[in-house]
Amino acid sequence: AAGVIQSPRHLIKEKRETATLKCYPIPRHDTVYWYQQGPGQDPQFLISFYEKMQSDKGSIPDRFSAQQFSDYHSELNMSSLELGDSALYFCASSPPRELKDYPGTDTQYFGPGTRLTVL
Amino acid sequence: AQTVTQSQPEMSVQEAETVTLSCTYDTSESNYYLFWYKQPPSRQMILVIRQEAYKQQNATENRFSVNFQKAAKSFSLKISDSQLGDTAMYFCAFMKTLMNNNAGNMLTFGGGTRLMVKP
Repeated sequence: AAGVIQSPRHLIKEKRETATLKCYPIPRHDTVYWYQQGPGQDPQFLISFYEKMQSDKGSIPDRFSAQQFSDYHSELNMSSLELGDSALYFCASSPPRELKDYPGTDTQYFGPGTRLTVL
Repeated sequence: AQTVTQSQPEMSVQEAETVTLSCTYDTSESNYYLFWYKQPPSRQMILVIRQEAYKQQNATENRFSVNFQKAAKSFSLKISDSQLGDTAMYFCAFMKTLMNNNAGNMLTFGGGTRLMVKP
């Protein structure tokens, strides 16, 4: 079965540089979530998109922005990178709620993550 | 706001034995889901099991089962016949649910329990 795809898997940047993380949801999934997991921490919700519109915003810094495109893939743009941005960034997707019989409704499926290291 | 608490930072169990991981949560919501996710050393987030709050029957998935006590706001995970591959960090997670779309459906995670299965 197709899974969530994230690219790149690893990224090394210098302070004050920019980074773009990409997420391709499972086919037919219309909602994308972004989470940040720092070292030794639990994942923290950043932002989500439903049908190409921002649906919720969590603890996402103003230096970060994100969007969902017409093909439902999403990109997280990170500018003026700081050492504290070093973390594992997960993307998750979920299927449309109106598909009540669709397997996995109301469940988020995670991608493998992008490990960002800021030097 | 919801909070999720996992009071056991680390646990260990002998191979083939049974172990129970604890999770408590606090919410004023009436409709929600609870999940257990497994994060092995690869850092992939893998769904283990989910429970709908409106269902009284405890969810089971092969060797994994939960004890859901809604009044007590408790959601423990039991792993039977533990295997070496069960060694991982386990996260309990809460998600409120809305009727019409996926807005507001971000996951709130507990701090995690690191489980070591010993041969």
